Formats: sequence, structure tokens, C-alpha cells
Amino acid sequence: DSGVTQTPKHLITATGQRVTLRCSPRSGDLSVYWYQQSLDQGLQFLIQYYNGEERAKGNILERFSAQQFPDLHSELNLSSLELGDSALYFCASSPTSGGAGDTQYFGPGTRLTVL
Amino acid sequence: GQQVMQIPQYQHVQEGEDFTTYCNSSTTLSNIQWYKQRPGGHPVFLIQLVKSGEVKKQKRLTFQFGEAKKNSSLHITATQTTDVGTYFCAGPGFKTIFGAGTRLFVKA
Repeated sequence: DSGVTQTPKHLITATGQRVTLRCSPRSGDLSVYWYQQSLDQGLQFLIQYYNGEERAKGNILERFSAQQFPDLHSELNLSSLELGDSALYFCASSPTSGGAGDTQYFGPGTRLTVL
Repeated sequence: GQQVMQIPQYQHVQEGEDFTTYCNSSTTLSNIQWYKQRPGGHPVFLIQLVKSGEVKKQKRLTFQFGEAKKNSSLHITATQTTDVGTYFCAGPGFKTIFGAGTRLFVKA
């Protein structure tokens, strides 16, 4: 158990809908990262927040947005969902701002299925 | 931008055989991390390499960082079925770049 929690574990929805994925980092960690992993694919970095502020952005679609709240939990919002958005979404946390040498601890993931 | 390439994409081995996965970066890395993802699981941090030419061992796993700090390898001696999973290398930085991973299959 990494100490990172994600809810829900599974999510099934329809195209065009909007969903929110939630992540609670390990106690004391200030950074939260979001990744997308499609079937049997690698990890695509979406976005990172550090202490409430956006720190780095990857290949995140405009339909997707995220935020980190004062209690450091984070939410990833996915809107106008398409079939291709079906994937595993991982949240990870790290102690500091995420520079070189910062180990990331991954949550169990949310499996999103868009029908 | 920075790219991290991993080879091979898949590797099938007989239990007891050795296994190696290679990671190559388009740019010099300040450090490199390795993660393992078991089937149905989430990535778990294995190790970080920082120094040029660094070699670290964890039981049957040997990790190397190239002299030029642009490549790295993970070698598993005498694979076991518990080694099954996908091994990722990751380049550092705010936009962490993960390699595509090498998926290891071990036949008992």
C-alpha cells in the first residue's frame, strides 16, 4: 500500500459525459501527478500540482482539467468524454516539488470505461 | 523535447533465464528511476541512479547508469515467476518522462 488513495476504482460512463476522479496523496506529500495509461501502453504524464498550484503540464487535452485543494487532495475532471478516453488513470504523489530525485508513489488507479 | 526509449517492448523468458531491459534518453539525465508494474497493479518505485557509471543491486536485480548518463539498464538474474510485470524507466524533471516499458513474461 503506497498510501495514495484514488476513488472511484471503476467508472463506467457514456460518451459526452463528464466525470471527476479523486486522489488523496500520501500524508505529507505536496505534489500530485496525474497519468493516463491506455490498454497495455505506457504512462502518459498529464499534469502536476505542487502545494495547490499547477507545476507542470504534459499532453493533457483541453477537455481535461485538474486542481489541487488546500487539503492537498486533487481532482481530475474529464469532460465531453470520447471512447478513446477509456483508460487507467493513475495519481501519484511525491514529497517535494518534483524535481530531479523525487520518488513518486502511485495510487491504485481509476479504470474509466467510456461506452 | 526529451524522449526516453525502452527496448525491448516485450520479452518472454523461461524461468531461470536472465532478462535485461534497456533505457535510452535523447538528452543527458541528472538521474534515472526504475519502476515495476505488476499485471493489474500500479507502478512501484524500485530504485534511483544518480552517478555516472553507477551500479546498484537489489538481490537478483542489477541496475546500471551509463557513463554518459544517457542510458540505463536493468538486469534480472535467474528470473522467477514473481518477476512478471512491466518495467519502466523514468527520466527526471517536472514533466516526468516514462519510457514505454518492457513487459516481462516468465514461463514456469
